[in-house]
Amino acid sequence: EAQVTQNPRYLITVTGKKLTVTCSQNMNHEYMSWYRQDPGLGLRQIYYSMNVEVTDKGDVPEGYKVSRKEKRNFPLILESPSPNQTSLYFCASSPADGGVYEQYFGPGTRLTVT
Amino acid sequence: AQKVTQAQTEISVVEKEDVTLDCVYETRDTTYYLFWYKQPPSGELVFLIRRNSFDEQNEISGRYSWNFQKSTSSFNFTITASQVVDSAVYFCALSEATGRRALTFGSGTRLQVQP
Repeated sequence: EAQVTQNPRYLITVTGKKLTVTCSQNMNHEYMSWYRQDPGLGLRQIYYSMNVEVTDKGDVPEGYKVSRKEKRNFPLILESPSPNQTSLYFCASSPADGGVYEQYFGPGTRLTVT
Repeated sequence: AQKVTQAQTEISVVEKEDVTLDCVYETRDTTYYLFWYKQPPSGELVFLIRRNSFDEQNEISGRYSWNFQKSTSSFNFTITASQVVDSAVYFCALSEATGRRALTFGSGTRLQVQP
């Protein structure tokens, strides 16, 4: 089944404790992206990657890191989480063969930072 | 900068009513893409439709239809004969054709369909 998976689905952590949210897709998509969803704000892009080893900032990159060492994986790293990073996080992927296609979203990771 | 406005925060209808969700966008690009996504109570984001800026044909898919009007920068979504399973938050989104291809989302419209 074609899908984007994220782990963990739920996470409660404390300020300053480094964490990684994994994202993996099995559709051989070049493009991957991370969004955060906050009430009243819709979804905002954090980082994106056009292909392996190619990553760049989105609209709200502060406090986050990403890496793209393999095509299928695009982990989101919070080196020192803070309470304002409490949010619902989505990973997404799509083809990037010259067109613009719908992005397929993972199930979401609900993060709480206390 | 791109912007998507969904002025309707919440809509409540009774089953079998028709309902239209409004979406107004702003962009300086001549080529762009518009999307609608559904977020049911379970939380996942479900893709509904993609439309590019050169295709102003309306589209119908079952009970769903979309009205794209470039002249008014609107991309409205109508559900005909609504059902309880249509209850969800619906997001309209806009993407540039090149560059980082970020989806700029509206703030969403929560649709509640009462039995």
